[in-house]
Amino acid sequence: GNSVTQMEGPVTLSEEAFLTINCTYTATGYPSLFWYVQYPGEGLQLLLKATKADDKGSNKGFEATYRKETTSFHLEKGSVQVSDSAVYFCATPQWGGADGLTFGKGTHLIIQP
Amino acid sequence: GAGVSQSPRYKVAKRGQDVALRCDPISGHVSLFWYQQALGQGPEFLTYFQNEAQLDKSGLPSDRFFAERPEGSVSTLKIQRTQQEDSAVYLCASRLSPMNTEAFFGQGTRLTVV
Repeated sequence: GNSVTQMEGPVTLSEEAFLTINCTYTATGYPSLFWYVQYPGEGLQLLLKATKADDKGSNKGFEATYRKETTSFHLEKGSVQVSDSAVYFCATPQWGGADGLTFGKGTHLIIQP
Repeated sequence: GAGVSQSPRYKVAKRGQDVALRCDPISGHVSLFWYQQALGQGPEFLTYFQNEAQLDKSGLPSDRFFAERPEGSVSTLKIQRTQQEDSAVYLCASRLSPMNTEAFFGQGTRLTVV
């Protein structure tokens, strides 16, 4: 089946710093890729997605580009805010055509004012 | 409802007890998923329903785990004879249709087996 590996946290940054959270995938073919975010006390929310190679997903100032050459889908943001503090999960379908997702272990992001 | 609702939010069970966890998906959503999230880990897929049909139960860890969605809306995840390793957060998610990629998650039920 497919899998994703993401950098472990916690990642601690100052407000307005540049953010990168690495995610690489192992898959047969080119599955859709997702970033989910979990804010404190809330459920998982879809942050952005890309459905094919070279696609760029973006939302709330976050971006991620589906790169098949490096099998990566790194999450980036140019200037983080305290409100971005959360746990971020990279995910992909369990296998081609599967409905369920396989998630990375999550990266806890802490933004200090 | 406005979002996916799960109840109870917290459940403490003695080892060997049976538990039932409820999920109310967003009204009209065809697809429903259950995931298990251990502490410090990402969610792990348990099972998937399309309407009332359970199309994939490959992630259920043992025959002590059972899920149903008899009328294609509310779903119940039942765990029989709970064990300590069942302690986790159980997440429910729903999706408008199989053609949609965005799944909406509930806040989860935190199960602690003592």
